[in-house]
Amino acid sequence: GENVEQHPSTLSVQEGDSAVIKCTYSDSASNYFPWYKQELGKGPQLIIDIRSNVGEKKDQRIAVTLNKTAKHFSLHITETQPEDSAVYFCAASRESSYKLIFGSGTRLLVRP
Amino acid sequence: NAGVTQTPKFQVLKTGQSMTLQCAQDMNHEYMSWYRQDPGMGLRLIHYSVGAGITDQGEVPNGYNVSRSTTEDFPLRLLSAAPSQTSVYFCASSRTVPSTDTQYFGPGTRLTVL
Repeated sequence: GENVEQHPSTLSVQEGDSAVIKCTYSDSASNYFPWYKQELGKGPQLIIDIRSNVGEKKDQRIAVTLNKTAKHFSLHITETQPEDSAVYFCAASRESSYKLIFGSGTRLLVRP
Repeated sequence: NAGVTQTPKFQVLKTGQSMTLQCAQDMNHEYMSWYRQDPGMGLRLIHYSVGAGITDQGEVPNGYNVSRSTTEDFPLRLLSAAPSQTSVYFCASSRTVPSTDTQYFGPGTRLTVL
């Protein structure tokens, strides 16, 4: 069935360094790839997404890249700050699908 | 707008008990869904609804029922709780399907079944 694998499960970086989280999807028909941030005690919040017609998308310090051939996509956070500490989830979906398939999550810790 | 609200925040049940997790949204969203979050397994879709009166099963529907009598409310019912249903439950809503429009999540309900 459809599957999204996410790595690493935990990531610790020094403040100011970059962080990269990677996801691989199995359904070649997937064409929508959102990233969610979940802070402690809260629900996930969409932070950036990308569709398969583009290879990269940026929003200030965060960016997402997509490699359709290899069926993987990545979240890049530059100049990390302590408030970036959270759990990040990737997901994949087909166009107009009713459901998202989520990865298992990455716990990011930014050390001051 | 309050967004997506969920009650209760915490709940402890004994095996075999029933309960209803409440979810409401005030954004006039057509699409609503329920997920469960377990350690190391991400979010898994339990049930979803594309509008009032329409519901369908997600990846892990067994042991759960839903109904959608109004646009605003989407309750999740556990008919006979089991320890395997210990989890954090999130309700979410979006204007249309989540692959097209931003999906907003509630704050979650942490359920423990003893």
